[in-house]
Amino acid sequence: GQQLNQSPQSMFIQEGEDVSMNCTSSSIFNTWLWYKQDPGEGPVLLIALYKAGELTSNGRLTAQFGITRKDSFLNISASIPSDVGIYFCAGRSGSRLTFGEGTQLTVNP
Amino acid sequence: NAGVTQTPKFQVLKTGQSMTLQCAQDMNHNSMYWYRQDPGMGLRLIYYSASEGTTDKGEVPNGYNVSRLNKREFSLRLESAAPSQTSVYFCRIDRGDYEQYFGPGTRLTVT
Repeated sequence: GQQLNQSPQSMFIQEGEDVSMNCTSSSIFNTWLWYKQDPGEGPVLLIALYKAGELTSNGRLTAQFGITRKDSFLNISASIPSDVGIYFCAGRSGSRLTFGEGTQLTVNP
Repeated sequence: NAGVTQTPKFQVLKTGQSMTLQCAQDMNHNSMYWYRQDPGMGLRLIYYSASEGTTDKGEVPNGYNVSRLNKREFSLRLESAAPSQTSVYFCRIDRGDYEQYFGPGTRLTVT
């Protein structure tokens, strides 16, 4: 089956720093999605990407759909304490999503 | 989590007991999904339902059954719970990327 490898597994950063995380796949996806999960909640969609090479921003978040269609990247600029949570990538194939393992982000004030 | 409810929020079972997790939506989406979330493993699809009356297996269906009672409700049943089924369970509804929502989750412990 399809697998997504997400890295890093966890990050500990200082407030104000920039953050980068990525996902790689053994298969091609037509859509890449990035989610954030706050403690005790379900994931919430942050950004959706539809074309190879596409770069999309949502506030301080920027995500890119890799040229090979097998990877995607998420950057968070000028992190703040409320950025704490687990970030997931997901690839869409038809009606099904395959999720990465998640990146646990901790931001120290 | 707007429009997606899950019950119960927490549950403790003993090995061998059965229970049903409920998911309900008020957004009229056709597609509904059940996932389990375990540390370091992301979200894994258990079962999904593309429309009322249809269900299909996902990655990890063993030990579970589902029922799409109507368009609003999609339930997940554990007939004989095992400790390996200790997890957080999420329901998701989907009608396109920016019209998809997860429920708040059910935290299940099997002792």
